[in-house]
Amino acid sequence: GQNIDQPTEMTATEGAIVQINCTYQTSGFNGLFWYQQHAGEAPTFLSYNVLDGLEEKGRFSSFLSRSKGYSYLLLKELQMKDSASYLCAVRLYGNKLVFGAGTILRVKS
Amino acid sequence: DAGVIQSPRHEVTEMGQEVTLRCKPISGHDYLFWYRQTMMRGLELLIYFNNNVPIDDSGMPEDRFSAKMPNASFSTLKIQPSEPRDSAVYFCASSLGQYLETQYFGPGTRLLVL
Repeated sequence: GQNIDQPTEMTATEGAIVQINCTYQTSGFNGLFWYQQHAGEAPTFLSYNVLDGLEEKGRFSSFLSRSKGYSYLLLKELQMKDSASYLCAVRLYGNKLVFGAGTILRVKS
Repeated sequence: DAGVIQSPRHEVTEMGQEVTLRCKPISGHDYLFWYRQTMMRGLELLIYFNNNVPIDDSGMPEDRFSAKMPNASFSTLKIQPSEPRDSAVYFCASSLGQYLETQYFGPGTRLLVL
């Protein structure tokens, strides 16, 4: 089976930096995606990594280590609107995505 | 761009009834995906199509579920007969090509089976 692990919940303060980790053990790997999902809404794409290293996109960065089966999403200068669920997803063969259970991030003032 | 369109947005039905969910992908996208999201199981891929052809339906839970894509701009997911455990949010997503292309999700259909 496919195994993708993320912390269930995290809390951080407005203006701070938070790192959301994701570890995976899957039968295939063609990239790792991060999605953001606000309560009651659809997931929206944040970032993807195919090669090892850090990808930066404004306040959001994502890191991948394929040898360790590990990724993290880094959110800087946290804002209240960043309160959401963050989903880690691995692309297997073809175009199939397998999602982790998601990490609920609560940003407090 | 209108994005992925799903209908209905909410559906309440009784156990045993047939339910049909509809999806219009983003124009030009050649991949279409159906997902189900519940608190217990998270976001699960049910089936996906490429150029209207089903590629992987290994996530379809049982024979009560069926999906079709008669043309590039329309897909349906049907549950017959529906059961209370089918209550979930069903998302449709589409993407361009295959490699390194993100999937764009529709707003979802919230299904409640009583």
